[in-house]
Amino acid sequence: EIVMTQSPATLSVSPGERVTLSCRASQSVNSNLAWYQQKPGQAPRLLIHGAFTRATGIPARFSGSGSGTEFTLTISSLQSEDFAVYYCQQYNNWPPRYTFGQGTKLEIK
Amino acid sequence: EVQLVESGGGLVRPGGSLRLSCAASGFPFSSYWMSWVRQSPGRGLEWVAKIKQDGNEKHYVDSMKGRLTISRDNAKNSLYLDINSLRVEDTAVYYCVRTITPGGNGIYAYWGQGALVTVSS
Repeated sequence: EIVMTQSPATLSVSPGERVTLSCRASQSVNSNLAWYQQKPGQAPRLLIHGAFTRATGIPARFSGSGSGTEFTLTISSLQSEDFAVYYCQQYNNWPPRYTFGQGTKLEIK
Repeated sequence: EVQLVESGGGLVRPGGSLRLSCAASGFPFSSYWMSWVRQSPGRGLEWVAKIKQDGNEKHYVDSMKGRLTISRDNAKNSLYLDINSLRVEDTAVYYCVRTITPGGNGIYAYWGQGALVTVSS
């Protein structure tokens, strides 16, 4: 099983700040990496796929980078609606054994 | 508009069985692979199962293999997940999810609201 490790677990930031979240895979997943945002009481929302491609309707302040085993999600200027939990997910295997990271919680400083 | 609506969750005794259903609308259901993902405080987000468009290819998470059956009824635009021999650790919100494109990738662009399954005596 490919283990996805996210860091940090919690990040306290102020609105308007730039923030970078990290995700590491225990083995290469090429660029088969997605990022999701989840707010309390809601289902996850797809932000990024293919490591850097924004999903439909996702603001340009969200950007993804990386390949292989190291990935980052950057939010260029945090808005109030961005405080949430962020998950990375790899979808590299076939037959599928997709796995998610444990999440990074963005909280207001 | 794509809509996925789960039903069938609830309280189940350990060792019991459950069928989750997902009613899909707003897209050509029979053209898409479909999946289930679950979320619990202890295990986080976990991909559970996926099924091909015609129902003839299915894949399951190793940790639950043998206790799961995913199925679909394309005439009813419905997806199902049967879970048997339920354990306390199966307590989770189960999401019906659809990929971003019809193919079998794991990019989940659409999620239902989730069905809570609680396994407790």
